Amino acid sequence: EDQVTQSPEALRLQEGESSSLNCSYTVSGLRGLFWYRQDPGKGPEFLFTLYSAGEEKEKERLKATLTKKESFLHITAPKPEDSATYLCAVQARGISSGSARQLTFGSGTQLTVLP
Amino acid sequence: GAVVSQHPSWVICKSGTSVKIECRSLDFQATTMFWYRQFPKQSLMLMATSNEGSKATYEQGVEKDKFLINHASLTLSTLTVTSAHPEDSSFYICSAKTSGGWVDTQYFGPGTRLTVL
Repeated sequence: EDQVTQSPEALRLQEGESSSLNCSYTVSGLRGLFWYRQDPGKGPEFLFTLYSAGEEKEKERLKATLTKKESFLHITAPKPEDSATYLCAVQARGISSGSARQLTFGSGTQLTVLP
Repeated sequence: GAVVSQHPSWVICKSGTSVKIECRSLDFQATTMFWYRQFPKQSLMLMATSNEGSKATYEQGVEKDKFLINHASLTLSTLTVTSAHPEDSSFYICSAKTSGGWVDTQYFGPGTRLTVL
């Protein structure tokens, strides 16, 4: 069974204080790992897809990295508008060739950036 | 690109009535759409997978007769909550899948807040 664990559950940072969010996963054959941002009362907003260990992707103050067991979302010099819940999800390979299973989500990290 | 809309954004209804929620992919065709449910401070729970032109696949524990899903076109899927009860109150979110080669990326709608009185 695919499992995704995110830590910490909640994180409070001062504006400009860089930090990292962790996503540990167990999956039989990773097809892709996804990071989403979710604001209160809204649907998740797609941030990144990572495919293989060693891959990195960046977008503004965010950088996502991937190893064989976990992914990190690094936030550099965060601003209050970065406050949100960050969700990690994995997609595993399906049984038949070329198929994929559904996304398995972690419970998220609620990030609060104080001015 | 890859914008998904939902309508309505919120709805309040009386117990026993049915509510329909629409999910549209605005700038791409989605052969597969997904319906999720999210309780406060919890992550997304997949309810069903909807493929255009075929019956939806429901996750274990989700009543297919209560949550009717129709995916009549490549850009529209609907979720109807039949005979709604207060315990059905939740945040319902749809997503649509694009196929970018090896990996399928899901883009989510803004969600629909259902409150059943």
